[in-house]
Amino acid sequence: ETGVTQSPTHLIKTRGQQVTLRCSSQSGHNTVSWYQQALGQGPQFIFQYYREEENGRGNFPPRFSGLQFPNYSSELNVNALELDDSALYLCASSLVLGYGYTFGSGTRLTVV
Amino acid sequence: AQSVTQPDIHITVSEGASLELRCNYSYGATPYLFWYVQSPGQGLQLLLKYFSGDTLVQGIKGFEAEFKRSQSSFNLRKPSVHWSDAAEYFCAVVTGSSNTGKLIFGQGTTLQVKP
Repeated sequence: ETGVTQSPTHLIKTRGQQVTLRCSSQSGHNTVSWYQQALGQGPQFIFQYYREEENGRGNFPPRFSGLQFPNYSSELNVNALELDDSALYLCASSLVLGYGYTFGSGTRLTVV
Repeated sequence: AQSVTQPDIHITVSEGASLELRCNYSYGATPYLFWYVQSPGQGLQLLLKYFSGDTLVQGIKGFEAEFKRSQSSFNLRKPSVHWSDAAEYFCAVVTGSSNTGKLIFGQGTTLQVKP
């Protein structure tokens, strides 16, 4: 079975720019969630999608938005990038809501 | 609010020695608990999970964890550590309803293994 794949692996953006990160869920998984992991911290929940609908959101501003597509792949969009957005962004997929998440290797975003 | 605490930020053990990483959670209902491992620059790999049933759960790479409801703990153990176990370890709990479950992570414990 295929795992969770994320692209790109690394990205450098300038403050104020917009960025799109992509995630392909593990085969058969219909739930995808996104996490932000700052250096030296545990991952923080951004939001979750189930069957193309957002069904949970963490304490992140509206400039963090997402999409889930019919094939269950997903995008994370961040507008008006700030220096504090520099982090590892992790995508996780699951078959049954709330259980057994499989994580991708992440996208390292650096905002300069 | 739900939370996960990993009291030890950094632990150093000698290769071959036993290991215990501590995890305490705060959650009103029956928790669903996880341990993940993260190598530098990598994503998270699931070591083991507890949903219900036997409170001692076995995972990959020779790890096990014991759920103790009375102590709100889910400590990770390994009887003999290998140099390749050096990594960051995260304890997590699933919160929310069955429709919106999200993972709440602890801050992590960095494991260093001495030769």
